[in-house]
Amino acid sequence: QQQVKQSPQSLIVQKGGISIINCAYENTAFDYFPWYQQFPGKGPALLIAIRPDVSEKKEGRFTISFNKSAKQFSLHIMDSQPGDSATYFCAASKRGGANNLFFGTGTRLTVIP
Amino acid sequence: GAVVSQHPSRVICKSGTSVKIECRSLDFQATTMFWYRQFPKQSLMLMATSNEGSKATYEQGVEKDKFLINHASLTLSTLTVTSAHPEDSSFYICSACNRDRGPNQPQHFGDGTRLSIL
Repeated sequence: QQQVKQSPQSLIVQKGGISIINCAYENTAFDYFPWYQQFPGKGPALLIAIRPDVSEKKEGRFTISFNKSAKQFSLHIMDSQPGDSATYFCAASKRGGANNLFFGTGTRLTVIP
Repeated sequence: GAVVSQHPSRVICKSGTSVKIECRSLDFQATTMFWYRQFPKQSLMLMATSNEGSKATYEQGVEKDKFLINHASLTLSTLTVTSAHPEDSSFYICSACNRDRGPNQPQHFGDGTRLSIL
C-alpha cells in the first residue's frame, strides 16, 4: 500500500519555467515531509523539508507548499535549469525525520534548454 | 557535513555468493541507520532500521536471515545479502541520522550499491 502518492510520474519543463510536483498522504500521524533529489546511480539528497505547522517553506529556488486539511504538499522549482533534471521523491514520516520514511513513487524531471 | 559513504558502489557476483555492503557516517555519529532497496525507476522501500548496539528491526516481508544487518558502532552499519540469487539484484541504499540530537534530524543517504547477481 502506497502511503504517499506522487504525481506526475514524469515532467518536462522549459528552462526558466516552474516545475511543480504534487504529493498526497492519508496518515495524519505524519509530521515531517521532506523532498529528495536523486541523480542516476546516486543516493537521494535532501532538498527541503517542512513540518505541518507551516504552510510554506522556501529555500532558494525550491518551495514547499503544504495543505494540512487536504493532506497534500507540493514542490515548486522556480526558474528551472537543465541541472535540475533528476528524479524527485517526496516522503513522509511520523515523529520527525529520524524515523522511517515513506517515499512517493518519484517524478522524473527533465528541463530542456 | 553529514556525509554517508557506502561501499562498494557496484558488485557483480555469481548466484549463491554472500555479499557485504558497508555504510559509514564520516563526520557524525549515526545512532540510527536505515537500509532501503530500490528497483529501477521505482521508489525506495525500507528494508530495515538498525540502532547502534541493538538488533535491527525488519519491515514486513523482508527476510532477516537473508539480509543480515550489523550496526556495531556509531559510524558503521553493514548489510550482508546471504546466498544471493538473481532476484536479489537491486540498488541498495543506506541512510543515517543521529537521533540523539532529536527527532527532527534528517536522514542522510549514501550513494547506493548496485548489486547484480548472475
